[in-house]
Amino acid sequence: DGGITQSPKYLFRKEGQNVTLSCEQNLNHDAMYWYRQDPGQGLRLIYYSQIVNDFQKGDIAEGYSVSREKKESFPLTVTSAQKNPTAFYLCASSSRKDRVNSPLHFGNGTRLTVT
Amino acid sequence: LAKTTQPISMDSYEGQEVNITCSHNNIATNDYITWYQQFPSQGPRFIIQGYKTKVTNEVASLFIPADRKSSTLSLPRVSLSDTAVYYCLVGILTGGGNKLTFGTGTQLKVEL
Repeated sequence: DGGITQSPKYLFRKEGQNVTLSCEQNLNHDAMYWYRQDPGQGLRLIYYSQIVNDFQKGDIAEGYSVSREKKESFPLTVTSAQKNPTAFYLCASSSRKDRVNSPLHFGNGTRLTVT
Repeated sequence: LAKTTQPISMDSYEGQEVNITCSHNNIATNDYITWYQQFPSQGPRFIIQGYKTKVTNEVASLFIPADRKSSTLSLPRVSLSDTAVYYCLVGILTGGGNKLTFGTGTQLKVEL
């Protein structure tokens, strides 16, 4: 089945450590996204990438970094500079046909806890 | 990006029709309206998308008036499994990717 795989589902880190969240898709989608969700809140866009080797900051990029070396993969690194890293992280992708973007397809998220 | 306003929560009973209205007064000419459903600890799932008038698929209908300043997601005959958060988003589908903004959504609770 095609889809988006995020791993691990739960991740625990000590404060001050960088941590990388994995996102892989086999949908052949060009665009990929990272969102953050806090309890009782909507999703906030961290970074997005429309094509390999290119990415743009979203609304809350500070303290995060990404790479897009392969079409299938869009890993997110939560650095020690992120002041409140504990959250639910969601990866998504979308395709483009005739210059129109499809709806977002989401993975099932990684819940990161930093203590 | 157009800002949306939805009710924070709604309650319903199994078998009833549920209508969730979203207000988007400053929607732009090229904006589409998209609804997602999210269960706890899962990623949102696409439900339906439209530009104007009425769109229907196997799970929902989307009603958009002529002025497009609001839209209504209609869920026919809800069941307990429809208990979830529903998000209304507006944004362009062309050009620079789906830089869409999610609000806090509407928590729908369905009871027996």
